[in-house]
Amino acid sequence: GENVEQHPSTLSVQEGDSAVIKCTYSDSASNYFPWYKQELGKRPQLIIDIRSNVGEKKDQRIAVTLNKTAKHFSLHITETQPEDSAVYFCAASSAGTSYDKVIFGPGTSLSVIP
Amino acid sequence: NAGVTQTPKFRILKIGQSMTLQCTQDMNHNYMYWYRQDPGMGLKLIYYSVGAGITDKGEVPNGYNVSRSTTEDFPLRLELAAPSQTSVYFCASSQTGGSSYEQYFGPGTRLTVT
Repeated sequence: GENVEQHPSTLSVQEGDSAVIKCTYSDSASNYFPWYKQELGKRPQLIIDIRSNVGEKKDQRIAVTLNKTAKHFSLHITETQPEDSAVYFCAASSAGTSYDKVIFGPGTSLSVIP
Repeated sequence: NAGVTQTPKFRILKIGQSMTLQCTQDMNHNYMYWYRQDPGMGLKLIYYSVGAGITDKGEVPNGYNVSRSTTEDFPLRLELAAPSQTSVYFCASSQTGGSSYEQYFGPGTRLTVT
């Protein structure tokens, strides 16, 4: 089955710096790669996602890149702000298929130091 | 729309007791999921469903059962509770088709087994 690895497990950056989180997946059938943000005590919420037919996607300060050949994808946050502090989860799935299930990485705890 | 709702919010069980965690969504989503999140850890998929009457095991199904008799409801049953089942349980739903497969999470149920 699918296995998703995520690095680093913790990340501290100064406010205004960039943060990069990397994930790898094992199942070549995976075609949808979302990123979720979970603030302390809250539910996870989608911040950006990418389909396998796209190499990069941006949304303001957040971008995701995908390398299908190498089976890895990354989250890039620029100009970090204290409110970016949270746990970030990557995930992989075979979206839209009858065997779809979403497998999450173990998470990265991001701290943005003012 | 209320989105995804879960009851109860908190529960303490004694070892060997049973209970059902309720999950309801009002977005007419076909896909529904149950995850558990242990303290400081990621989301592990317990069971998922791609439509009414269809369920399948996730990564950690042992000790749990599910049913999906309607599109809206996806209850999770714990039989013979064990301390290892102490966790926060999240239910989620997503739509099929379209350009996004965003999962919408419920607020979670915090379960303690003593």
